[in-house]
Amino acid sequence: DAKTTQPNSMESNEEEPVHLPCNHSTISGTDYIHWYRQLPSQGPEYVIHGLTSNVNNRMASLAIAEDRKSSTLILHRATLRDAAVYYCILDRGYGNKLVFGAGTILRVKS
Amino acid sequence: DSGVTQTPKHLITATGQRVTLRCSPRSGDLSVYWYQQSLDQGLQFLIQYYNGEERAKGNILERFSAQQFPDLHSELNLSSLELGDSALYFCASSAKPGRSYGYTFGSGTRLTVV
Repeated sequence: DAKTTQPNSMESNEEEPVHLPCNHSTISGTDYIHWYRQLPSQGPEYVIHGLTSNVNNRMASLAIAEDRKSSTLILHRATLRDAAVYYCILDRGYGNKLVFGAGTILRVKS
Repeated sequence: DSGVTQTPKHLITATGQRVTLRCSPRSGDLSVYWYQQSLDQGLQFLIQYYNGEERAKGNILERFSAQQFPDLHSELNLSSLELGDSALYFCASSAKPGRSYGYTFGSGTRLTVV
């Protein structure tokens, strides 16, 4: 399984943008980059995913490096409800399992 | 509500017992995945089913088994329970193999073995 590397924790101020980095230097050409987040005692929640191009949805934006060896999840205006563990995961598709790492704990200060 | 339903939400049972956890996938999703999350291990993949057939296996103990039924709901059976089996068990579903789809997780079953 291809591995991702994320910082253990990050802190942000409320109402400010947050950039969560992820390194995936062993990514293969068919791996999709997925981001999920998990609040305490809740199931992981899908945030966004992409293959090569940058992606935007109502929750966040995903910026993918040209060589695809890294990506950044962008929360445009952090709120207290965004405090969670954020997981960056590679998915081969075709029903392959998602392998979760330790993720990044995001703390948001008011 | 994510669309993935897990029951029961909480379960307390004694060592040596057997329990069954149930998962109903989101409407239209054919794949079901089971994950275990304990305090010191993070989210661990257990097993995946696609349209009734086992597709992939992770670090699932021999005491654990699962199946997916024709109506696509899935059950995870845990037997000869030990204290260390206490954890949150999550079910996730996705549409089908092929291009990558987002995975939808349920809210989990918290199992406490006493």
